[in-house]
Amino acid sequence: SAVISQKPSRDICQRGTSLTIQCQVDSQVTMMFWYRQQPGQSLTLIATANQGSEATYESGFVIDKFPISRPNLTFSTLTVSNMSPEDSSIYLCSVVSGLAGGSGANVLTFGAGSRLTVL
Amino acid sequence: AQSVAQPEDQVNVAEGNPLTVKCTYSVSGNPYLFWYVQYPNRGLQFLLKYITGDNLVKGSYGFEAEFNKSQTSFHLKKPSALVSDSALYFCAVRDRNSGYALNFGKGTSLLVTP
Repeated sequence: SAVISQKPSRDICQRGTSLTIQCQVDSQVTMMFWYRQQPGQSLTLIATANQGSEATYESGFVIDKFPISRPNLTFSTLTVSNMSPEDSSIYLCSVVSGLAGGSGANVLTFGAGSRLTVL
Repeated sequence: AQSVAQPEDQVNVAEGNPLTVKCTYSVSGNPYLFWYVQYPNRGLQFLLKYITGDNLVKGSYGFEAEFNKSQTSFHLKKPSALVSDSALYFCAVRDRNSGYALNFGKGTSLLVTP
């Protein structure tokens, strides 16, 4: 399975600032996903990031707040904009290994996550 | 719409005893079902999945899960718990017709005591 590196692993941010999280994969993948895990909560899908097209956002998440870039098949960034304490979460990047055409039974592989604390 | 329910926030079990972590699901079609484990300060690790076929699925670290279509359940089990199994466990579902993203349950914290 793919190996995913996320940066930063953790950060403490001030209210009103923005932070960009990087996700680097050791192999080319078509689909990348960004999840949020709020304290004591489950994982919630923010958006699907496909190379060469706009990210697809889930209900409750908007591009102005969580802009995503996907410049190539091994890299993506998620920016958390104009942060508030409610944005304090773990943000996880995940991928379906391989390029398009894989089975829906494919496993999602996750990065270790980026823990953001907003003061 | 698809959803997953993990009815227990926490499961406590003594080392050496069998453990069960419960999961029920709701999807419009036939599901793909997954279990992941999250250790403190680490990402999610895949344990096992059900795709089709045998209802008893075996996975990593001695874990297994039983798919029960009539009860729409996919409970995680292990015959003999280890202290090192203490972690947060997530059940997840993917509808075969709705893409590749997973829908996760809220997680169950497993505590195995010596």
